[in-house]
Amino acid sequence: DAKTTQPTSMDCAEGRAANLPCNHSTISGNEYVYWYRQIHSQGPQYIIHGLKNNETNEMASLIITEDRKSSTLILPHATLRDTAVYYCIVRATYNTDKLIFGTGTRLQVFP
Amino acid sequence: DTEVTQTPKHLVMGMTNKKSLKCEQHMGHRAMYWYKQKAKKPPELMFVYSYEKLSINESVPSRFSPECPNSSLLNLHLHALQPEDSALYLCASSQAGEQYFGPGTRLTVT
Repeated sequence: DAKTTQPTSMDCAEGRAANLPCNHSTISGNEYVYWYRQIHSQGPQYIIHGLKNNETNEMASLIITEDRKSSTLILPHATLRDTAVYYCIVRATYNTDKLIFGTGTRLQVFP
Repeated sequence: DTEVTQTPKHLVMGMTNKKSLKCEQHMGHRAMYWYKQKAKKPPELMFVYSYEKLSINESVPSRFSPECPNSSLLNLHLHALQPEDSALYLCASSQAGEQYFGPGTRLTVT
């Protein structure tokens, strides 16, 4: 599976959009980009995933560059409850069971 | 019901004890997972069961013994653990892509 690079930490004001970048320059054609987050002392929570098209759900939007070497997770209106560690993960094929977490980005949303 | 439950929430055990962690899901998922997470580190995959058969063992020491009695239940049997095994143990399940995680069992080995 391709490796990912994320900033160690980011801050965001409450109510503003949080844009979390992820670099996956060695991604190959059959690898999906997944995002999970982990709020302190809880289990990780699935957010969204995509292959090459942009995706949106009730939690977030995922923007993948045309060359697929990077992506951005967007939380459109961050709240204090969005303070968490956000993990960007690249997985080979949709049904692969192995999920390898990187170090993630610690997002702090402040009032 | 999209919940994965884990018991107990907290466990303290001595190095000579035998204990078990339990995980349950009622979503009909075919795969179940054990992860270990040390403080301030990402989760690390330990075991994967698919259709009740062990499909992945990430070279975990034999003092950790997984068991999948049926499609809804996953156990992790612990024996002769070391203090460095103290961690948050997470269970997850999935049908295809996304995995659903339980809240974890915080284990302390004394």
